Amino acid sequence: GESVGLHLPTLSVQEGDNSIINCAYSNSASDYFIWYKQESGKGPQFIIDIRSNMDKRQGQRVTVLLNKTVKHLSLQIAATQPGDSAVYFCAERVDNQGGKLIFGQGTELSVKP
Amino acid sequence: NAGVMQNPRHLVRRRGQEARLRCSPMKGHSHVYWYRQLPEEGLKFMVYLQKENIIDESGMPKERFSAEFPKEGPSILRIQQVVRGDSAAYFCASSPAVNSGNTIYFGEGSWLTVV
Repeated sequence: GESVGLHLPTLSVQEGDNSIINCAYSNSASDYFIWYKQESGKGPQFIIDIRSNMDKRQGQRVTVLLNKTVKHLSLQIAATQPGDSAVYFCAERVDNQGGKLIFGQGTELSVKP
Repeated sequence: NAGVMQNPRHLVRRRGQEARLRCSPMKGHSHVYWYRQLPEEGLKFMVYLQKENIIDESGMPKERFSAEFPKEGPSILRIQQVVRGDSAAYFCASSPAVNSGNTIYFGEGSWLTVV
């Protein structure tokens, strides 16, 4: 069936390093993608999104890359900080499905001081 | 995710009781979504509602679960005769519409524990 999945369940980085979190999706009809950050005991927090007619989008310290050829999405975090430690989820949406999001399993990012 | 209000934040119910979870969307948002998150897992879509209408309930269990979004008041997710497997975090999200670029924002969740 259609699914969104993440390559790595955990990622440990040193403070100040760059982090890259990857995501694979299989629904070629998906045309909108979102990255969320979830801290323990809290709800998903929007980080950045990208539409399928783009291949790159930058925010503050974060960049999302979309490769539709191989159905791959990545989140890059520059100069990772301890406050970035959380679980990161990618999600996909097909607009004609009423905005329903399909989430990946999640990657836990741990930042070592 | 500021603005999507959920309550209660934590709820404990005995098996067989009913659980009611409430969600007030962000101001100006008319679309509400409910998701469930089991421990160590991602969020799973349950239902999508607009005012007084259920648009997509493809993720809702066939029995015991129901949702509504009345003309006035919050959206309600109702779980009847709860079982231990219902223990999870339930997240509500809202958006102004489902057009391109309208981000879906989440609340802080309601943690249901069935004992």
